[in-house]
Amino acid sequence: QKEVEQNSGPLSVPEGAIASLNCTYSDRGSQSFFWYRQYSGKSPELIMFIYSNGDKEDGRFTAQLNKASQYVSLLIRDSQPSDSATYLCAVPREKSSGDKLTFGTGTRLAVRP
Amino acid sequence: ETGVTQTPRHLVMGMTNKKSLKCEQHLGHNAMYWYKQSAKKPLELMFVYNFKEQTENNSVPSRFSPECPNSSHLFLHLHTLQPEDSALYLCASSQGGLAGELFFGEGSRLTVL
Repeated sequence: QKEVEQNSGPLSVPEGAIASLNCTYSDRGSQSFFWYRQYSGKSPELIMFIYSNGDKEDGRFTAQLNKASQYVSLLIRDSQPSDSATYLCAVPREKSSGDKLTFGTGTRLAVRP
Repeated sequence: ETGVTQTPRHLVMGMTNKKSLKCEQHLGHNAMYWYKQSAKKPLELMFVYNFKEQTENNSVPSRFSPECPNSSHLFLHLHTLQPEDSALYLCASSQGGLAGELFFGEGSRLTVL
């Protein structure tokens, strides 16, 4: 069983700061990585995915992947109170299927006004 | 509104009851999923259906019985559940394949007394 590890938090940052969320995974052969956001009482929604080593930027969000270290992170620049949520890291269970995902427990982010 | 609708949103049942959860997707996707979300535990993949065929049963106890009559509808039939089965049950759909983004419903909160 592939494992995905995340610090449960809460991670508390002031408004305007950079929030850094981290995730490690056990299967060295994993090739794609997903970040989902889940607001309290709501369902998860995809915010980013990354396949290649390095950085991928989308607005205020940057995903960083280091396959050698089996480490993927999500940076949120200029954090807003509306970013307060739980962020879930996910990895496909099978290389041939990108949608049977194994999720981490999630990191709760709290952005202080 | 993600295009995936789950009913009921809340359900309380005794251990001897039989009930069903319903999921409908309006996105034209080929794959549908049941996930279980318990407090402080990762999202657990339960069942996967592709084009109405079950392609994954993640060692789920037989007291949970899925049914997928067509690509748009998915049911989870529940009988003789245990209190530890109390959780949020999330339905999701996707196009499948390597980069399948999961679209989740709002979930059905189940309490087993």
